Amino acid sequence: GDSVTQMEGPVTLSEEAFLTINCTYTATGYPSLFWYVQYPGEGLQLLLKATKADDKGSNKGFEATYRKETTSFHLEKGSVQVSDSAVYFCALSDSGGSYIPTFGRGTSLIVHP
Amino acid sequence: DAMVIQNPRYQVTQFGKPVTLSCSQTLNHNVMYWYQQKSSQAPKLLFHYYDKDFNNEADTPDNFQSRRPNTSFCFLDIRSPGLGDAAMYLCATSRVAGAGNQPQHFGDGTRLSIL
Repeated sequence: GDSVTQMEGPVTLSEEAFLTINCTYTATGYPSLFWYVQYPGEGLQLLLKATKADDKGSNKGFEATYRKETTSFHLEKGSVQVSDSAVYFCALSDSGGSYIPTFGRGTSLIVHP
Repeated sequence: DAMVIQNPRYQVTQFGKPVTLSCSQTLNHNVMYWYQQKSSQAPKLLFHYYDKDFNNEADTPDNFQSRRPNTSFCFLDIRSPGLGDAAMYLCATSRVAGAGNQPQHFGDGTRLSIL
């Protein structure tokens, strides 16, 4: 079955540091890939997505590139802010008609001033 | 703004006392989902509606039920809450037509506490 593996957290960074959160997946077919962010006490929000190989999703300074050859969709940001502190979830949605996404376990990011 | 709204944000109930959580959407999405999320964990899908068709996950306890009276509203009923049911409950929607590449839209959740 489909699965998503994320690096364990928490990831702790100083403000303006470079961020990478690793995400790899296994899926049949050609899934769409997503990053969601969850701020404390809130629901998940879509951060970015990519629907085919080599697509780059980007939003609010975050980027992730769909790498079919390495089955990865790593999240990056060049300069994090305290306000980026949240839990980040990588997810996939299979192209085979399933509309039930598979989520990774989530990675907590803590950014210190 | 079109959105997914959950009420209440916080719900306290007594052990064994039935409770209902509600979700409404203005997105006109055809799929609605209910998730349970415990601390530091990923959301766990309980069930979903594809239009009027109800789909239960195999490991969802019988204690959890759902109703979707119309496109806009969906309810989660917990018949006899136990201490282990204390969690954040998230409602989500998506528009599904063909390939499964549409993102989900989440409400802000209802945090359920059991006394």
